[in-house]
Amino acid sequence: SQQGEEDPQALSIQEGENATMNCSYKTSINNLQWYRQNSGRGLVHLILIRSNEREKHSGRLRVTLDTSKKSSSLLITASRAADTASYFCATDILTGGGNKLTFGTGTQLKVEL
Amino acid sequence: DGGITQSPKYLFRKEGQNVTLSCEQNLNHDAMYWYRQDPGQGLRLIYYSQIVNDFQKGDIAEGYSVSREKKESFPLTVTSAQKNPTAFYLCASKGQAPADYEQYFGPGTRLTVT
Repeated sequence: SQQGEEDPQALSIQEGENATMNCSYKTSINNLQWYRQNSGRGLVHLILIRSNEREKHSGRLRVTLDTSKKSSSLLITASRAADTASYFCATDILTGGGNKLTFGTGTQLKVEL
Repeated sequence: DGGITQSPKYLFRKEGQNVTLSCEQNLNHDAMYWYRQDPGQGLRLIYYSQIVNDFQKGDIAEGYSVSREKKESFPLTVTSAQKNPTAFYLCASKGQAPADYEQYFGPGTRLTVT
């Protein structure tokens, strides 16, 4: 089953507004990562937050992590039409076979002009 | 250019045929991964390999096979035993240094089986 569940499934906003996406997961993690996918393309890594961190910033991105609630959020500020894409959280878990990423179901973001 | 290439971009096959998807990387990464993505869904791990000549089953390995004879290459064979092979297949790689957490993805292969 999917480790991460994301909310909302889809989000439509106007350019300049902020977009917030949430991710919940089930087991202990080493870190949590957010990826972006443009339609029909591969994924691109956006930001990583370690299990001992609570908040991290990168440009217009802000990620929070609450390990007690097993949840994370991604905030994109001052959104642009070019931010239109699907966004996935992925939890990094160490297994006997090495590190594995387990992806959430994704949030489809549409930023309208 | 450094990166991951997958070929072909689109692949069509008849039911009952095996098909092999190519994944090549020149990032000198030890670890490579294969994922499957269905419409509106997240990625599910099929197989992964941490080092040459070794690989592990992921969450949905049934009906798939892989090989890792070279560091640069990790081909995926979709066999006739895979009940629903039509999907978008993504390959990824990752370095093995302690600070290497990010996975780098190829552009994907969209497989349609009729």
